[in-house]
Amino acid sequence: QKEVEQNSGPLSVPEGAIASLNCTYSDRGSQSFFWYRQYSGKSPELIMSIYSNGDKEDGRFTAQLNKASQYVSLLIRDSQPSDSATYLCAVPSSGTYKYIFGTGTRLKVLA
Amino acid sequence: NAGVTQTPKFRILKIGQSMTLQCAQDMNHNYMYWYRQDPGMGLKLIYYSVGAGITDKGEVPNGYNVSRSTTEDFPLRLELAAPSQTSVYFCASNLDGANTGELFFGEGSRLTVL
Repeated sequence: QKEVEQNSGPLSVPEGAIASLNCTYSDRGSQSFFWYRQYSGKSPELIMSIYSNGDKEDGRFTAQLNKASQYVSLLIRDSQPSDSATYLCAVPSSGTYKYIFGTGTRLKVLA
Repeated sequence: NAGVTQTPKFRILKIGQSMTLQCAQDMNHNYMYWYRQDPGMGLKLIYYSVGAGITDKGEVPNGYNVSRSTTEDFPLRLELAAPSQTSVYFCASNLDGANTGELFFGEGSRLTVL
């Protein structure tokens, strides 16, 4: 069973701090990785995708990928109360059309 | 452009009843998915489809059935509803399948089985 694991949290950070969210995956054949944000009672929305080892930056968000360690992370700089949500890591299962989701990390940004 | 539309948004069923959750997308996406999300949990894949007439099981298919007669529609059928099927159901679609990008989600259907 291919798995995606995340710390469920909650992760609490003060406003303006850096929030660091982590995800590990078991499928060594996975080639792409996605971070979704889900506000309470809403559907998930894509915020970052990453395909190559290293860092990818988009505004206040940075995704980091280390395929050798099977680890992907999301950094949120200058965290805002509006960033308070659950962040889901999604990893497509190699050789299939299926996206496998982690359980999500609940982030709380304290004003 | 409506994207992915799910109906109904809320439904209460009695144990043993059956119902169909509707999902339609207007983006001409080939790939469609049904997920369920239990409170405080991630998304579990129920069924998916790679095109009209082609469906396959996900992680938690028991108690559900799907069909895909057109590119646009991907209904999820619950037979003999059980309390364990109380959940929020999300339909999603994607143009080219896994590894190539964004899943577009519907707003979800909240189902309670009593």
